[in-house]
Amino acid sequence: DTGVSQDPRHKITKRGQNVTFRCDPISEHNRLYWYRQTLGQGPEFLTYFQNEAQLEKSRLLSDRFSAERPKGSFSTLEIQRTEQGDSAMYLCASSSWSDRVGVYEQYFGPGTRLTVT
Amino acid sequence: GNSVTQMEGPVTLSEEAFLTINCTYTATGYPSLFWYVQYPGEGLQLLLKATKADDKGSNKGFEATYRKETTSFHLEKGSVQVSDSAVYFCALSAFQGAQKLVFGQGTRLTINP
Repeated sequence: DTGVSQDPRHKITKRGQNVTFRCDPISEHNRLYWYRQTLGQGPEFLTYFQNEAQLEKSRLLSDRFSAERPKGSFSTLEIQRTEQGDSAMYLCASSSWSDRVGVYEQYFGPGTRLTVT
Repeated sequence: GNSVTQMEGPVTLSEEAFLTINCTYTATGYPSLFWYVQYPGEGLQLLLKATKADDKGSNKGFEATYRKETTSFHLEKGSVQVSDSAVYFCALSAFQGAQKLVFGQGTRLTINP
C-alpha cells in the first residue's frame, strides 16, 4: 500500500485562473475527505465523499469550489477564478471503518500547496 | 459546535525533558480524540487515538488519556528527542455522520540537543 497521494505538490497560479488538484486514496478506503490548512492554523474540513457520493460540504466551500469522486476512486478539487485568499495547503485524507477501534481512521496525503499571485 | 483548544506554542525543550502539550475540547456526545504530528515538509501522521472515556492512546513513547470529566486529551512524553521536533495537532471527530476531524491550531515543538 503506497498511502494517499496528491498531485501536484505545489501550484502557483495567477488570480482569476482555474486550478484542479487530484487525490488518490488508499485503495480499499471508501471515504475521502478534503481539508484546507492556512499558515499557522489547523486543517479545516471542506467536504467528504462516501464512495462516489458527496455527502457533506462545509460553508468554507464557496460556489467557486467543486469536488468530484467519479467511480469512488480518485477525487479532484477544482477552484475557479482563484483569489489570493485561496492560498493554502489543500489536504486529502482517506479512511475506512475500523472494527478494531470503532472509528474511521483518517490517513492524510502530503498536500498540495497553492499560491495565488 | 465542536471545537478543540491547544496550548499555544512554540514550545522549546532540551533533549530528554518531559513534554506536556495541553488539549481541551468542546463537543456534543462522545467524540473520538486524536493527536496528529506534522514533520517539516510532510503531511499529517496519526500519532495516537482514543475512542472512549478513560482510554489511553500511546505510540512512540507518547501518551494521552481521554478525560471526559475535564474534557481534555493532553499529550505527554517522558523523554523527548531532537527527532520529535514537529507541529502537533489535537483533533476530535464526532461519533456519527461524516466523522470529519476538527483540529486545534497546532503546537510547534522544538527540541534542542
